[in-house]
Amino acid sequence: KQEVTQIPAALSVPEGENLVLNCSFTDSAIYNLQWFRQDPGKGLTSLLLIQSSQREQTSGRLNASLDKSSGRSTLYIAASQPGDSATYLCAVGVQGAQKLVFGQGTRLTINP
Amino acid sequence: GAGVSQSPRYKVAKRGQDVALRCDPISGHVSLFWYQQALGQGPEFLTYFQNEAQLDKSGLPSDRFFAERPEGSVSTLKIQRTQQEDSAVYLCASSLMLGLSTDTQYFGPGTRLTVL
Repeated sequence: KQEVTQIPAALSVPEGENLVLNCSFTDSAIYNLQWFRQDPGKGLTSLLLIQSSQREQTSGRLNASLDKSSGRSTLYIAASQPGDSATYLCAVGVQGAQKLVFGQGTRLTINP
Repeated sequence: GAGVSQSPRYKVAKRGQDVALRCDPISGHVSLFWYQQALGQGPEFLTYFQNEAQLDKSGLPSDRFFAERPEGSVSTLKIQRTQQEDSAVYLCASSLMLGLSTDTQYFGPGTRLTVL
């Protein structure tokens, strides 16, 4: 059974810092990995999708990497801003099943 | 439509009542998913539709949970005889393709169910 773990559970940093969020998964048989953002009381917004054959994806100040063999992904946020405060969720697409398996999320707070 | 919509946004039910949660996916999206998100946790998969066919219901926690998508568009998640442990946010997502590796799931805002 695929399990996804995100560390840390919560993170608070001053504005302007670069930061890294971590995600690990137990089964390398995935077809993609996605990073989502969730604001309080809102649904999930897709940030980046990395196909299983890819190593990384970039969008603006965000960069996500994937190392399938070690079961790890990282989300790098450059020059953090207060508007980046949210919960960040990592999810893997399970091969042979049309579903996502999510981690518990990292609650990020950027302090002005 | 502009995005995935869900109704109601909030639902309070007394234990033992039946509830029905609605999802309107993005027009033309083939795949539809339901997830359950408990407080402080990540979403957990409940069920998956491809058009009107329910292809995976392995995540439904009990036979009190039932989902349908009769015309391949709008979907309803029904919970019978609600229990307090059913309290959660129920998220609906849709995607355009058939689960390919490039397929992004687009999520609705969720329905927050509270069972008293």
